[in-house]
Amino acid sequence: DAGVIQSPRHEVTEMGQEVTLRCKPISGHDYLFWYRQTMMRGLELLIYFNNNVPIDDSGMPEDRFSAKMPNASFSTLKIQPSEPRDSAVYFCASRFVEGASSGANVLTFGAGSRLTVL
Amino acid sequence: AQSVAQPEDQVNVAEGNPLTVKCTYSVSGNPYLFWYVQYPNRGLQFLLKYITGDNLVKGSYGFEAEFNKSQTSFHLKKPSALVSDSALYFCAVGGGATNKLIFGTGTLLAVQP
Repeated sequence: DAGVIQSPRHEVTEMGQEVTLRCKPISGHDYLFWYRQTMMRGLELLIYFNNNVPIDDSGMPEDRFSAKMPNASFSTLKIQPSEPRDSAVYFCASRFVEGASSGANVLTFGAGSRLTVL
Repeated sequence: AQSVAQPEDQVNVAEGNPLTVKCTYSVSGNPYLFWYVQYPNRGLQFLLKYITGDNLVKGSYGFEAEFNKSQTSFHLKKPSALVSDSALYFCAVGGGATNKLIFGTGTLLAVQP
């Protein structure tokens, strides 16, 4: 099992450009989460999906951010246009639901995508 | 709403000494509590969790955590710290009415040789 795979690992772009981050969850996992990590705000939940359907996007900062999950093996987080304050490490995580309480199951994280917006 | 607090930005401990990293939580209903560790330039790795049962939970690398319902705490402990334990530690809470996992701001553990 290759784990949760994120790409790119590093992205440097200029303000105003579109950024697309990609995530391949672990096969068979039916929940997918996007988190953002910054020094100031720690680890913030942006959005999560269940069976490819967005369940809660209340953490998405603003309309410039969008996330999709077209199938069970792929998700994207897009920022358009990007701004310097979007610089952060973006993590994708997936979870397999076992038992009645999905919240009790462990998340597996990808290695993260470090975004720098100049 | 769920929330978790890690009151210490950094904990310093000498190698061989016991360590404690503090965490308190707030959630409606029964909490699911987790500890994750992050090494530099890596994703978060699961250490241990409390769902139900024994209040003392044992996890990876000799770590354990004690669930205290009355104090709404879930402190991470280890009897004897190693330099290799130096990392960023996150407490997280799930449960309640949602499937979210909410993380604390993290505590940097620095173990001096």
